[in-house]
Amino acid sequence: GQNIDQPTEMTATEGAIVQINCTYQTSGFNGLFWYQQHAGEAPTFLSYNVLDGLEEKGRFSSFLSRSKGYSYLLLKELQMKDSASYLCAVRGNAGNMLTFGGGTRLMVKP
Amino acid sequence: EAQVTQNPRYLITVTGKKLTVTCSQNMNHEYMSWYRQDPGLGLRQIYYSMNVEVTDKGDVPEGYKVSRKEKRNFPLILESPSPNQTSLYFCASTLGQGDRGGYTFGSGTRLTVV
Repeated sequence: GQNIDQPTEMTATEGAIVQINCTYQTSGFNGLFWYQQHAGEAPTFLSYNVLDGLEEKGRFSSFLSRSKGYSYLLLKELQMKDSASYLCAVRGNAGNMLTFGGGTRLMVKP
Repeated sequence: EAQVTQNPRYLITVTGKKLTVTCSQNMNHEYMSWYRQDPGLGLRQIYYSMNVEVTDKGDVPEGYKVSRKEKRNFPLILESPSPNQTSLYFCASTLGQGDRGGYTFGSGTRLTVV
């Protein structure tokens, strides 16, 4: 089975940097995804890691360590619109299915 | 525009009255899936399909049925809805194994069973 853990809530200040951690224990691993979800809306794709290391995309970066079962999402130059939930998801070996963590609700304050 | 379309967006129904939530994608994706999202529980997979006529149970399949008669459509059927199926439902699709973009999600269906 899959077990994915991430903090429930975080608060940060506009303009700052925030790191959202995700740890996972899975029976198979074929990639880790981060999604952003605003309240009541569909999740939207942010990043994908399958090899160890850092992937950077604009203000967002994601890191993966497969040996540690660990990932983080780094958000720089925070903006008010970044207030949302951030979902960590792992793709296992069975088909192409994603298992999601409970999500981290990020509140950005002025 | 590449998208996953769910209908309806909102639905209020009574216990026991059969309903179907439709899902269609125009990206020729092989994989499709249904999730429900509840406060404090995150997204949980109900059923998934790896191709036409190939479906399998996810983590919370009880009380739901699906079918995949065509590649683009993947309806979710609640034969006898109950109040514990009140939730926000998402349909999602992806190209196939190794797709770096993961799933594309529909806009969601907020279902209330009274």
